[in-house]
Amino acid sequence: QVQLVQSAAEVGEPGASVKVSCKTSGYTFTRYYIDWVRQAPGQGLEWMGRINPGGGSTSYAQNFQGRVTVTSDTSTSTVFMDLSSLRSEDTATYYCARQGRYGTNSIEYWGQGTLVTVPS
Amino acid sequence: QAVVTQEPSLTVSPGGTVTLTCASNTGAVTSDYYPNWFQQKPGQAPRALIYSTTNKHSWTPARVSGSLLGGKAALTLSGVQPDDEAEYYCLLYYGGAWLFGGGTKLTVL
Repeated sequence: QVQLVQSAAEVGEPGASVKVSCKTSGYTFTRYYIDWVRQAPGQGLEWMGRINPGGGSTSYAQNFQGRVTVTSDTSTSTVFMDLSSLRSEDTATYYCARQGRYGTNSIEYWGQGTLVTVPS
Repeated sequence: QAVVTQEPSLTVSPGGTVTLTCASNTGAVTSDYYPNWFQQKPGQAPRALIYSTTNKHSWTPARVSGSLLGGKAALTLSGVQPDDEAEYYCLLYYGGAWLFGGGTKLTVL
């Protein structure tokens, strides 16, 4: 079965970077997009960006351009999200999520989430 | 910049029917926006319900359906149960980028 297992909670230093991982299993890694979505405490969902692990192409939300980098490692079927220049407003739960049926514009499977805390 | 708007909150009685909508400030929502819908309960990751306007995932209950209604994407829940109480989010595709709505808090009362 499809599984997305994320790295453990982290505390990030203001101004520094944090890297969250998403290890996938149960399907052909290179065939499906992986998206990153975050949720600040008590707030809604916010799409950050995505990667096509097959070719490495990425796209990012305007709000995060220049601050977020999504990469993938096909040898371990793992996707990484790197967020730089951290500020207290980046305190949130970060989710990775996989595209649904091949070729569809959809998000279907979700990781368990990783809480990133940035002290003010 | 595009903005996606949902009703902030709705209340429905058990056994009733409720429709949640999802609008874009860029104009009418069409199938080209590939509307997705998600349910989220406190402390849990979101759960996918609908993709590409009307398509259900394998676990989506038959009483849950998606459509286009009056220039918006819509999610209809029939025979509402207490377990349907949750936050619901729509997601629209803007040519390479996704954008979530602000969410609708559905109360079953």
